Amino acid sequence: QMQLQESGPGLVKPSETLSLTCTVSGGSISNYYWSWIRQPPGKGLEWIGYIYYSGSTNHNPSLKSRVTISVDTSKKQFSLKLTSVTAADTAVYYCGRALQGEADAFDIWGQGTMVTVSS
Amino acid sequence: QSVLTQPPSVSGAPGQRVTISCTGSSSNIGAGYAVHWYQQLPGTAPKVLIYANNNRPSGVPDRFSGSKSGTSASLAITGLQAEDEADYYCQSYDSSLSAHVVFGGGTKLTVL
Repeated sequence: QMQLQESGPGLVKPSETLSLTCTVSGGSISNYYWSWIRQPPGKGLEWIGYIYYSGSTNHNPSLKSRVTISVDTSKKQFSLKLTSVTAADTAVYYCGRALQGEADAFDIWGQGTMVTVSS
Repeated sequence: QSVLTQPPSVSGAPGQRVTISCTGSSSNIGAGYAVHWYQQLPGTAPKVLIYANNNRPSGVPDRFSGSKSGTSASLAITGLQAEDEADYYCQSYDSSLSAHVVFGGGTKLTVL
């Protein structure tokens, strides 16, 4: 059964870059859209962006050009970089797999990793 | 200011039926994009309850059902149980600006 696991620093300083990796196990990374989703404490879900296994990407326009998502199919990993972070970027960050296409439901989620932006 | 609007909270007694609405616009739900629903229990990742408007993944009880009409969608839960108390989110796709995934603001379901 496929599982996703997020990893990365739990504390990032303001103005620095947040970097997270999601590792796919128990299945192939090919032929799926892989997303990053975040949830600030006590608030709702916000989609950050996705990457298709072939490398094409899309991201939430509200995050402008701060987001970079990349994939390493040989390691079965995809990664998120979010630049110039502020306290507003403090959140639980989830990685997820879209069931079939980019507009599809996320049928598999990682457990989430809390990232705090603070000096 | 979510693109999809949900009521902040709903409640119902055990055994009752409740519905949660998800209101969008002509650039998302009204444009024909599918609506998906998630249940999030405290401290856990969301779990898909309904996908593509009205489809249940295996393992999801048939007490949960989804519907879509025009620019809105609804999640109905019948035979409310204490374990249904959770946050519920709708999700769709929006084609304004650049096409992207959008979520509703979430609804807290309280079982009285």
